[in-house]
Amino acid sequence: EVQLVESGGGLVKPGGSLRLSCAASGFTFSSYSMNWVRQAPGKGLEWVSSISSSSSYIYYADSVKGRFTISRDNAKNSLYLQMNSLRAEDTAVYYCARGFVRSGYEQFDYWGQGTLVTVSS
Amino acid sequence: DIQMTQSPSSLSASVGDRVTITCRASQSISSYLNWYQQKPGKAPKLLIYAASSLQSGVPSRFSGSGSGTDFTLTISSLQPEDFATYYCQQSYSTTFTFGPGTKVDIK
Repeated sequence: EVQLVESGGGLVKPGGSLRLSCAASGFTFSSYSMNWVRQAPGKGLEWVSSISSSSSYIYYADSVKGRFTISRDNAKNSLYLQMNSLRAEDTAVYYCARGFVRSGYEQFDYWGQGTLVTVSS
Repeated sequence: DIQMTQSPSSLSASVGDRVTITCRASQSISSYLNWYQQKPGKAPKLLIYAASSLQSGVPSRFSGSGSGTDFTLTISSLQPEDFATYYCQQSYSTTFTFGPGTKVDIK
């Protein structure tokens, strides 16, 4: 059974840092791209960042570029999101999601339960 | 960046109704369009990928159509468990933009 479990969320002051983790199990982690998606309270989904299976390709939303860093450790079946210079508008539930490609079309087929990040003084 | 819009933003419907949600991309995305369902407090769930392919395990009352810039998600006969928010997502570019969502609630 595919499982994605996020951790590392919490309360942080503006300007602070936080590192999120996503532990994967039930599939060959090193064969899939991975993604972070966030959802501010009462708002819609916002794609944050993606990383390819071997970390060769990394992409960020403009809203987090230069402040967030995505990484992965295939030996530990883990995905990370280092978040620096946090702002109030980064407050959200952060989900990790597996990227799956079929016939050239990519979709996010498995999602974790999410971890809440609150940026407030 | 590719922008996604959805209409309506919300709708009220009854069990058994046929429901159609529209998603529009700011440029042609071929069939690189996914649909997700999200219930309150839960993670999103993939329903449709590549505009019209049904994800395994998803009931056949869900269907997707469209290509280019205009897409639709149809629920042929709304069931109680279908009351949720639905999001489209483009996967044409490497910035996987989501639409703003359509909330389906009980009339």
